[in-house]
Amino acid sequence: SQQGEEDPQALSIQEGENATMNCSYKTSINNLQWYRQNSGRGLVHLILIRSNEREKHSGRLRVTLDTSKKSSSLLITASRAADTASYFCATEIPAAGNKLTFGGGTRVLVKP
Amino acid sequence: DAGVIQSPRHEVTEMGQEVTLRCKLISGHNSLFWYRQTMMRGLELLIYFNNNVPIDDSGMPEDRFSAKMPNASFSTLKIQPSEPRDSAVYFCASSSFRGQYNEQFFGPGTRLTVL
Repeated sequence: SQQGEEDPQALSIQEGENATMNCSYKTSINNLQWYRQNSGRGLVHLILIRSNEREKHSGRLRVTLDTSKKSSSLLITASRAADTASYFCATEIPAAGNKLTFGGGTRVLVKP
Repeated sequence: DAGVIQSPRHEVTEMGQEVTLRCKLISGHNSLFWYRQTMMRGLELLIYFNNNVPIDDSGMPEDRFSAKMPNASFSTLKIQPSEPRDSAVYFCASSSFRGQYNEQFFGPGTRLTVL
């Protein structure tokens, strides 16, 4: 089973609405990162939250981390059609070097 | 900076042929990661290097796959012989390894089709 698993697998919303997706993981982490992938492109780093942080903001993005529940959420506020993409969480684990383990992703469709 | 550069962007080959994928790291980065992405298996880490040294190759599917870093800024992933099940998008990513909190920068990917 995967270290990081996103929920839901797919999400469809209207432009202007908020989009929330969740990530659960199994083992202790150094940090958790969120990436975005537009169709046919490589992944792009959005935000990193450290294990001792609980919340982080970047523009219209808000990430929370609950290490007791081993879960994170990504909130995109006031979504735009350009936010249509797949969103992946990735975890960096102690004693696993600097590699990241990616979840299966959430496909987000923002309808204009 | 041009970002991570991958070539070719698309490759169509026949089963049994050798395939070589190339990646140029972002200047100053010292970690290099090769991933494979398919609908069925998602994004899989194949191998990664720190300072030109392979650290973890446990994701390399078989001996048909090999990866090298001939210098600090360049890497190749070779598949010999290729099989239809190798069809996927292959990404490389680089980062500046500083112990923890390493964000990765992905290339645009190589879409490989093996007929």
